[in-house]
Amino acid sequence: DGGITQSPKYLFRKEGQNVTLSCEQNLNHDAMYWYRQDPGQGLRLIYYSQIVNDFQKGDIAEGYSVSREKKESFPLTVTSAQKNPTAFYLCASGPGGYTFGSGTRLTVV
Amino acid sequence: DQQVKQNSPSLSVQEGRISILNCDYTNSMFDYFLWYKKYPAEGPTFLISISSIKDKNEDGRFTVFLNKSAKHLSLHIVPSQPGDSAVYFCAARSRAGTASKLTFGTGTRLQVTL
Repeated sequence: DGGITQSPKYLFRKEGQNVTLSCEQNLNHDAMYWYRQDPGQGLRLIYYSQIVNDFQKGDIAEGYSVSREKKESFPLTVTSAQKNPTAFYLCASGPGGYTFGSGTRLTVV
Repeated sequence: DQQVKQNSPSLSVQEGRISILNCDYTNSMFDYFLWYKKYPAEGPTFLISISSIKDKNEDGRFTVFLNKSAKHLSLHIVPSQPGDSAVYFCAARSRAGTASKLTFGTGTRLQVTL
């Protein structure tokens, strides 16, 4: 079945460590997106990529980095510079981000 | 600056009645609007959408209305069912050249009671 796979579902990291969240899609979509959700808040755009080897900062890009070396993959690295990394992270793909993965809950202790 | 607002954090409706979820926006450049349904610890699932050139779109029990002059859209669910209980997000699309992105509201938690 076509879809978006995010792994892992739950991730725990120590403060000060970088961590990379995986996002893979087999929908043949050009555009991919990373959003973050915090309790009581909507989804906020971190980074997005319209094509391979190109990406743009979203509204809250500070402390995050991405790469887009393959059409199917758009990994997100949460760096130690991100002040409040504990959140629910969602990857999406499609024209305007129509299809979402099931998310990764990152907890930094 | 929140460009998409859902001012009601929660809504409780009796089964069989109509649920009306509201969304306001400020950016007149949004050209497409979408509603998503989300359960805890899952990704949002697309529900229904509407282009800015239309004022109504219907899909089964779900209807979205768009009032461009008021910069307001609403989602009507008739009749409401217990399985509709979830958080609903409205989203608006903006374009910059060939790039497009969605801006989300903060969500409304709908509870459909028996």
